[in-house]
Amino acid sequence: EAQVTQNPRYLITVTGKKLTVTCSQNMNHEYMSWYRQDPGLGLRQIYYSMNVEVTDKGDVPEGYKVSRKEKRNFPLILESPSPNQTSLYFCASSGLGEGKTQYFGPGTRLLVL
Amino acid sequence: KQEVTQIPAALSVPEGENLVLNCSFTDSAIYNLQWFRQDPGKGLTSLLLIQSSQREQTSGRLNASLDKSSGRSTLYIAASQPGDSATYLCAVFLDAGNMLTFGGGTRLMVKP
Repeated sequence: EAQVTQNPRYLITVTGKKLTVTCSQNMNHEYMSWYRQDPGLGLRQIYYSMNVEVTDKGDVPEGYKVSRKEKRNFPLILESPSPNQTSLYFCASSGLGEGKTQYFGPGTRLLVL
Repeated sequence: KQEVTQIPAALSVPEGENLVLNCSFTDSAIYNLQWFRQDPGKGLTSLLLIQSSQREQTSGRLNASLDKSSGRSTLYIAASQPGDSATYLCAVFLDAGNMLTFGGGTRLMVKP
């Protein structure tokens, strides 16, 4: 089944404790991206990647890091999480030959205390 | 910077009604526009994607239109059902970039 998976789905952590949210897709998509969703602010793009070893900032990259060492994986790294990073995070992918139709993962709900 | 606006923010209709959701964007140089559905606490499901060269797309009871020159798209839902209750989001890719910009969404409730 074609899908985008994220882990963990729920995470409670404390300020300053490094964490990684994994994202994986099995559709051989070139494009992958991360979003956060907050009440009243909607969905905002954090980082995106056009292909392996190619990443770029979205609208709200501060406090986040990403890497794209393999085509299927695009982890989101919070080196020193803060309470303002409490949010619902989504990973998405698309094939550049499919008109950039975005396929979303199920989301990761993060609470930073 | 591209800005995407959806009106209304919330809509409540009786079952069976035909309805229109609106999406407007400030930069008409778009690559495509995509409509999504999001159920509470869940991920996004793609409904329809319209390329910049297209005027409309249809899937079942859903029809999405695109008018690039005026910066508008509409999502038409025919014969609404309670199962259509969800938040509907539109998002655009700009021609010149690889960033996806979302509207704030329209929260739809269809009452039995």
